[in-house]
Amino acid sequence: GEDVEQSLFLSVREGDSSVINCTYTDSSSTYLYWYKQEPGAGLQLLTYIFSNMDMKQDQRLTVLLNKKDKHLSLRIADTQTGDSAIYFCAEKDNQGGKLIFGQGTELSVKP
Amino acid sequence: DAGVTQSPTHLIKTRGQQVTLRCSPKSGHDTVSWYQQALGQGPQFIFQYYEEEERQRGNFPDRFSGHQFPNYSSELNVNALLLGDSALYLCASSTSHRDATYEQYFGPGTRLTVT
Repeated sequence: GEDVEQSLFLSVREGDSSVINCTYTDSSSTYLYWYKQEPGAGLQLLTYIFSNMDMKQDQRLTVLLNKKDKHLSLRIADTQTGDSAIYFCAEKDNQGGKLIFGQGTELSVKP
Repeated sequence: DAGVTQSPTHLIKTRGQQVTLRCSPKSGHDTVSWYQQALGQGPQFIFQYYEEEERQRGNFPDRFSGHQFPNYSSELNVNALLLGDSALYLCASSTSHRDATYEQYFGPGTRLTVT
């Protein structure tokens, strides 16, 4: 079955690193994504990783993929108060364009 | 370069009524997907339109229908509204070009409240 799971909350201090974790079930997924959602807003595509990669770095963001364990993580370096938001992990259905989302992790950054 | 746009921003309807939501994809994109996001949940896929046809559908009843126009914009129609249809409806656009089918960009959403 299709299922993406994330922990619901994460609280960090400004300047620390944040690590948001996600597990997925569909081993045939080709792409995995991280989206950010601020209150009352739509989803902002942060980054994505192709399933044949282990790691992708994009400025302060690092994505790690462990295909064996079906585990995806997003590391945000030097976390700022502006990073406070809900972060969604999603996998792309191998049958088409459908994205399957987790429940979201609410990141709270304290000054 | 305009991103994905949706209208209206907010909408209040009564149970049993019908509603139409609209989406214009990002410039250069030809594929539109619709998602429903209930409060505190992740988005759930409703359906995807490409070349004016429904290409993929999620687990939503037939009360949910859509349309795509020749200019790639799309509408989501919901008939016989239920209280449980209250949610943020998100539109995502992407391109069918082989090199970039993995990027889906979302609009700001339409907040639907059913009373």
